[in-house]
Amino acid sequence: EVQLVESGGGLVQPGGSLRLSCAGSGFTLSNYWMTWVRQAPGKGLEWVANIKEDGRETYYVDSVKGRFTISRDNAKNSLYLQMNSLRAEDTAVYYCTRDNPFGGYWGQGTLVTVSS
Amino acid sequence: QSVLTQPPSASGTPGQRVTISCSGSSSNIGSNTVNWYQQLPGTAPKLLVYNNNQRPSGVPDRFSGSKSGTSASLAISGLQSEDEADYYCAAWDDSLRNWVFGGGTKLTVL
Repeated sequence: EVQLVESGGGLVQPGGSLRLSCAGSGFTLSNYWMTWVRQAPGKGLEWVANIKEDGRETYYVDSVKGRFTISRDNAKNSLYLQMNSLRAEDTAVYYCTRDNPFGGYWGQGTLVTVSS
Repeated sequence: QSVLTQPPSASGTPGQRVTISCSGSSSNIGSNTVNWYQQLPGTAPKLLVYNNNQRPSGVPDRFSGSKSGTSASLAISGLQSEDEADYYCAAWDDSLRNWVFGGGTKLTVL
C-alpha cells in the first residue's frame, strides 16, 4: 500500500525557517516525480514545487522561488522542502504527492503557521 | 485569482447528473492534459481523473472527464450523498512552467 507521511510543520515567526519531510512507503521513490502542494486555511490548492526522479530538475511557483528548496533522498525514500524567509502568506497545510500522474497519491498534510 | 476557472459551487439531487467546468488557455489546457481531484471535508485531495478522461483504479465509472480546446469538464452521474466535496481541476502550464489549479467547486447534494 502506498503511503506518504509528512512531518516538520509547526508555528514559526515571520522570517524564520522550517524543513518539511515526506516519508514514502509501499513504493520506490526513485521511480517518480514528487511534488509539494499547499492549501491555505479555507482556500484552494496551490502547487508549490516538484522534483524529477533523479533530483536533477526542479520547478517552483514564483511566490516561493529563492526561498524554498525541494530535494529528495531516494535511498531514504524521502522528500523534503526547506522553507526559508517564511511569510504570513505561506501559512497552509503542505501536502506531498507522488506523481506519474501528478497527484496520484497524497499524504495527510502538515500544517505550517507563520505568525508572530 | 486562479489560472484555471471553475464555478465556485454546483448542486444536484441524488441520482442526478452534474457537470463541473474548468476553463483555461492555450498554454495550459489547450496544450496539456487535465486532472481532476476530489477533496472530501477534512481530508487530503484524491486523484479522480487524469489525462483528461482516465480513472485510477478504484474510482467509480460514475465519474468521467472530457476536454475540448481550452476547456475541460468533470461529469458525475448517479449523484450520491458521499459525492459532496470540493472538486479541483489542474493542468501543466507551459508558460509558467507550473502545474496550475482551478479555484475549486463545492458540490452540494441536496
